[in-house]
Amino acid sequence: QQPVQSPQAVILREGEDAVINCSSSKALYSVHWYRQKHGEAPVFLMILLKGGEQKGHEKISASFNEKKQQSSLYLTASQLSYSGTYFCGTEASYDKVIFGPGTSLSVIP
Amino acid sequence: ETGVTQTPRHLVMGMTNKKSLKCEQHLGHNAMYWYKQSAKKPLELMFVYSLEERVENNSVPSRFSPECPNSSHLFLHLHTLQPEDSALYLCASSQDRGPVYNSPLHFGNGTRLTVT
Repeated sequence: QQPVQSPQAVILREGEDAVINCSSSKALYSVHWYRQKHGEAPVFLMILLKGGEQKGHEKISASFNEKKQQSSLYLTASQLSYSGTYFCGTEASYDKVIFGPGTSLSVIP
Repeated sequence: ETGVTQTPRHLVMGMTNKKSLKCEQHLGHNAMYWYKQSAKKPLELMFVYSLEERVENNSVPSRFSPECPNSSHLFLHLHTLQPEDSALYLCASSQDRGPVYNSPLHFGNGTRLTVT
């Protein structure tokens, strides 16, 4: 079953922060986050395994609440290069990553 | 060479044609995947192969036929497609499959397919 993402779209000015949420109705093994720029392949950002861990990569971090089956992606001090569509992928069945509808993020000067 | 290479980048075919999409990964990964990406729709998982064995067929119509001759190559054979099959077809690979292996997906740039 497809995860739910919110918001659908967000526009930020450079330097502002954003949070993208992903939730599932099923118990999850893991949550993946990817970013796709127009006309390009999705690029891996991070994986969170069940256990409620939090991960970070420079100014992008994420958390996974195993009890609520929710994950959030945090983008701080956004840069123009952060623009793109962000997808969460949830793994409720072994080896089957199902992607959400995506969140379109636009960072403007 | 980039990690995952897909050819062709663009393909236009009629409904009666037969064509094939090719994917090659240079990462030494053991699992390969086909995803379909349509406009305004999420990425849809089509097929999963692990060590050349198909382990998932996600209710895909038989007009799509995958083939994985070895762990580096994956094909998607197409025949008698419909206009609604027009989409971006993405190939991906991962080191291993399953959450315990913490293996991210590495995507190719996709084949933009148009069925006329």
